[in-house]
Amino acid sequence: DSGVTQTPKHLITATGQRVTLRCSPRSGDLSVYWYQQSLDQGLQFLIQYYNGEERAKGNILERFSAQQFPDLHSELNLSSLELGDSALYFCASSAGTSGGVADTQYFGPGTRLTVL
Amino acid sequence: QKEVEQDPGPLSVPEGAIVSLNCTYSNSAFQYFMWYRQYSRKGPELLMYTYSSGNKEDGRFTAQVDKSSKYISLFIRDSQPSDSATYLCAMSGGDYKLSFGAGTTVTVRA
Repeated sequence: DSGVTQTPKHLITATGQRVTLRCSPRSGDLSVYWYQQSLDQGLQFLIQYYNGEERAKGNILERFSAQQFPDLHSELNLSSLELGDSALYFCASSAGTSGGVADTQYFGPGTRLTVL
Repeated sequence: QKEVEQDPGPLSVPEGAIVSLNCTYSNSAFQYFMWYRQYSRKGPELLMYTYSSGNKEDGRFTAQVDKSSKYISLFIRDSQPSDSATYLCAMSGGDYKLSFGAGTTVTVRA
C-alpha cells in the first residue's frame, strides 16, 4: 500500500459527460501528479501540483483540469468526455522538498474510467 | 518516434533465469532514470532510481545507464514467479515531467 488513495476505483459514464476523480496524497507529501494510462499511449504525465500551485503540465487536454486544495488533496476534472478518454487515471504523490524529479513518486491504485 | 522506446514483450522465462529489460531514448537532456514495476490492476511502484550514467545494484536487481548510447537496462537475477509484472522505464531531464516507456510484461514460470 503506497499511502496514496484514489476514488472512485471504477467509473462508467457516457460521452459528453463530466466526471471528477479524487486523490489523497501520502501524509506529508506536498506534490501531486496525475497520469493517464491507456493501451495505445502507455503512461502519460498530465499535470503536477505542489502545495496548491500548478508546477508542471504535460499532455493534458483542454477539456481536463485539476486543482489541489489547501488540505493537499487533488481533483482531476474531465469534461465533454469522449470514447478515447477511457483509461486508467493514476495519481502519485511525492514529498516535493527537493524540487521534483529527485523525489520518489508513490502511485495510487488508479481510477478506471470507461466512457460508453 | 516516441521519446522513450521499450519493447512491450511479452517476455516469458523459467524461474531462476535472468530477466533482461531495456529502453532506448532520444532526449539527451534526460539525466534521471527509473524503473517501475506494475502488478495487474495496481499502480506502478518504484524499483530502481539512477542519476546519470553507471550501474546500481539492489538485491537481485541491477540497473545500468549508458548515456552515450541513450540506453538503459534492468536485470533481474534468480527470477521468481512473484516478479511477474509489467516493468516500465521512466526518465526525466530535471523538470517535473516523467516520460515512460510502454512497459514490458514479464512472466516467470514456476
